[in-house]
Amino acid sequence: EPEVTQTPSHQVTQMGQEVILRCVPISNHLYFYWYRQILGQKVEFLVSFYNNEISEKSEIFDDQFSVERPDGSNFTLKIRSTKLEDSAMYFCASSEMGLANEKLFFGSGTQLSVL
Amino acid sequence: GENVEQHPSTLSVQEGDSAVIKCTYSDSASNYFPWYKQELGKRPQLIIDIRSNVGEKKDQRIAVTLNKTAKHFSLHITETQPEDSAVYFCAASSGSGNTGKLIFGQGTTLQVKP
Repeated sequence: EPEVTQTPSHQVTQMGQEVILRCVPISNHLYFYWYRQILGQKVEFLVSFYNNEISEKSEIFDDQFSVERPDGSNFTLKIRSTKLEDSAMYFCASSEMGLANEKLFFGSGTQLSVL
Repeated sequence: GENVEQHPSTLSVQEGDSAVIKCTYSDSASNYFPWYKQELGKRPQLIIDIRSNVGEKKDQRIAVTLNKTAKHFSLHITETQPEDSAVYFCAASSGSGNTGKLIFGQGTTLQVKP
């Protein structure tokens, strides 16, 4: 069964450094998402992406965050200057036709630790 | 803003008993309600979902009910087994158009005692 894949599985960085989290959505999916989960808390929406542009973003997704689909397969989340409170599990997700018609499939996550 | 409340936060049952987890949502436009199971350190896995045009859906030991008028939906697990132990999240769709997003509840830690 096709899966959303994410790399790396763990990322440790110093405060103020830039990180790029990578995702390969399921190949025929057109809608892409990033969510995050702080340890012991609920999953929170960050951003949705369709047709090479952001569809919606949450209050968490401030100017330090950006997303990109650099080629036909990858979908990346960049945090320009990491803060301690950015430490979380970041999940990429994709959907074939968007939530109006289809399910959301999550990747295995990248655990980001900001020191 | 959009919100999903989930109860209880923890639930402990004996193997073979039933477990019920309840959620309420605030966005009256929500029309898709999935349930995810998350084992420690792993991705959320979709276990069942329901759309607003039906009131109940069942898949073997798992069932979900939806009351759109009251804006609440519930997960029912019958004949629980130790491998059902995990964190369960409900979610409700929100946002416009096809893209949408999911708003998650706070999660329920289910422990099934052998």
